[in-house]
Amino acid sequence: EPEVTQTPSHQVTQMGQEVILRCVPISNHLYFYWYRQILGQKVEFLVSFYNNEISEKSEIFDDQFSVERPDGSNFTLKIRSTKLEDSAMYFCASLPQLYEQYFGPGTRLTVT
Amino acid sequence: LAKTTQPISMDSYEGQEVNITCSHNNIATNDYITWYQQFPSQGPRFIIQGYKTKVTNEVASLFIPADRKSSTLSLPRVSLSDTAVYYCLVPEGGFKTIFGAGTRLFVKA
Repeated sequence: EPEVTQTPSHQVTQMGQEVILRCVPISNHLYFYWYRQILGQKVEFLVSFYNNEISEKSEIFDDQFSVERPDGSNFTLKIRSTKLEDSAMYFCASLPQLYEQYFGPGTRLTVT
Repeated sequence: LAKTTQPISMDSYEGQEVNITCSHNNIATNDYITWYQQFPSQGPRFIIQGYKTKVTNEVASLFIPADRKSSTLSLPRVSLSDTAVYYCLVPEGGFKTIFGAGTRLFVKA
């Protein structure tokens, strides 16, 4: 069964550094999402991506964040200058149709 | 805020059937209801989706009454490994998805 994969599984970075989190969605899926989950808190929507552009973003997704689908398979989330409060699990989701989401295993980002 | 309301937690014993009910009073005419399961430190996992009446798959059943203002996820014969958080979602409009706090199910031996 096809799965969403994410790399790295764990990323440790220093405050102010840039990080790129990578996701390989399920082939032929049309919609791609990024979420984050701070330890012990809710899953928070960051951004959705459809037809090679951002379709919607949350208030969290400010100028420090960007997404790309550079080569038609990978889907990346970049945080330009990380802050301590960016420490969280980041999940990518891939959808064959709206509202049926298949999540990756996540990347644990630790900002020190 | 999420458009759904669920119990915060539930306890059950192995082998029992568990029913988790979700209220979504303001669901729109064309909205589907989707349920996810999440284990600690893992991404949510799609369980089931429905629009009306009853949907069943190899994992669960979903019951939706005629007014569609609520839905019930039914897990038959739970085991310890079903201990997880269960989320009920309805669309927020557009592409956005809002997860609520979910229902923390604890299955005891």
